[in-house]
Amino acid sequence: GENVEQHPSTLSVQEGDSAVIKCTYSDSASNYFPWYKQELGKGPQLIIDIRSNVGEKKDQRIAVTLNKTAKHFSLHITETQPEDSAVYFCATGGSNYKLTFGKGTLLTVNP
Amino acid sequence: EAGVAQSPRYKIIEKRQSVAFWCNPISGHATLYWYQQILGQGPKLLIQFQNNGVVDDSQLPKDRFSAERLKGVDSTLKIQPAKLEDSAVYLCASSYPEPQHFGDGTRLSIL
Repeated sequence: GENVEQHPSTLSVQEGDSAVIKCTYSDSASNYFPWYKQELGKGPQLIIDIRSNVGEKKDQRIAVTLNKTAKHFSLHITETQPEDSAVYFCATGGSNYKLTFGKGTLLTVNP
Repeated sequence: EAGVAQSPRYKIIEKRQSVAFWCNPISGHATLYWYQQILGQGPKLLIQFQNNGVVDDSQLPKDRFSAERLKGVDSTLKIQPAKLEDSAVYLCASSYPEPQHFGDGTRLSIL
């Protein structure tokens, strides 16, 4: 089955800096790559997603890049704010809409 | 629109007891998922429904876990008997067909 590796497991940045989280996957049939943000005591919330026919997608301070050949994709957050502090998960999906998640990255933005 | 509703939010039981979780998906979402999220890990899919039929239950421990989605709307997940390793957050998600929207989960503690 699909295997998703996510790095780093923890990331600490100063407010205003950029944060980058990277994921690699094993199944070449994966064609959907969402990113979720999970705050303490809450369920995961979708922040951005990308499909395999697109190399990059941006939404304000958040961007995702995808390299299908290398089977990796990344989340970029610019101008980080304390409210960006949370656990971030990458995931992959295929034709059956089933998602496989990475283990998560705890992002801490220090004021 | 209203989000995915789950209840209860917390449940504490002793091992070998039984427990049930309830999920009400977003209106009109045909696909419903149950995930198990162990502390420090990403969500792991237990079962996927399309309307009231099972699409994928390959990761569901069928000797103790069961799930149903009557009338293609609400769903219940049951564990009987519970083991210590079942301590986790149980998340419900729904979609039409993407992206998946998550509820806030039920945190289960086994004593």
